[in-house]
Amino acid sequence: NAGVTQTPKFRVLKTGQSMTLLCAQDMNHEYMYWYRQDPGMGLRLIHYSVGEGTTAKGEVPDGYNVSRLKKQNFLLGLESAAPSQTSVYFCASSYLGQSAGANVLTFGAGSRLTVL
Amino acid sequence: AQSVTQPDIHITVSEGASLELRCNYSYGATPYLFWYVQSPGQGLQLLLKYFSGDTLVQGIKGFEAEFKRSQSSFNLRKPSVHWSDAAEYFCAVRRATDSWGKLQFGAGTQVVVTP
Repeated sequence: NAGVTQTPKFRVLKTGQSMTLLCAQDMNHEYMYWYRQDPGMGLRLIHYSVGEGTTAKGEVPDGYNVSRLKKQNFLLGLESAAPSQTSVYFCASSYLGQSAGANVLTFGAGSRLTVL
Repeated sequence: AQSVTQPDIHITVSEGASLELRCNYSYGATPYLFWYVQSPGQGLQLLLKYFSGDTLVQGIKGFEAEFKRSQSSFNLRKPSVHWSDAAEYFCAVRRATDSWGKLQFGAGTQVVVTP
C-alpha cells in the first residue's frame, strides 16, 4: 500500500518557468491538501480539495493553481515560478468520520523545489 | 486570530533523559489536537491525537500528550528519549467544526539527542 506519493522529489526551476507537482493517493480519501514548509514557519496550507472536481484556497494560495480531475490525484501548478516559492511541498490526504483512522492527515514524503 | 504556538524552536536532550515539548493554541472552542514528527528528509508521521475524552493520550514510540483546557495547551512528553527520537516535532490543530479537515501547524521544535 503506497499511501501518498509525490512526484517529482526534487526540482530546480528558473524564475518564470512553470511546473506541476503531482500527488497520488491510493486510500480512496475524499480530502486532499497541499502544504508548503519553510524554516521557522511550520507547514502552511496552499490549497485543498474536498472531492473530485472541487478545490479551495488555503492560507497562502497566491502564485499557485490546483486541479483534482480524478479522486486519487491532486495537482499543484506554478505558472510563473518565483524565488519566494522555493520550499518543500507536502501533499496530504484524509477522510472525515467517526472511525479510528478518520480525521487524520497522511502525508507524502515531500517535493523540494528550488527557484533560481 | 487562531494560532498555534510552539515556544521552543530547538531543544537538546541527553539520551535517556525525559523530554517535554510545549504547544499552546488560541481557538474559540476545544479543537482537535495532533502531534506529528518529521525525521530528516521525510514526510510527517502522526504520533498521537486528541479529539475528546481522556485528556492524557498515548501515542506511538512511547510518546504521550496531555490536553489542559484551562491552559489551552497540549504538551508532548516522553520519559526516556532514544537517539532515534532526534527529529522535528509539529503540533497541529483543527477546529472541531471545520468540515474540511484543515490543519494549522505550529512552527515546529527541533529535537537534538546527545549521547
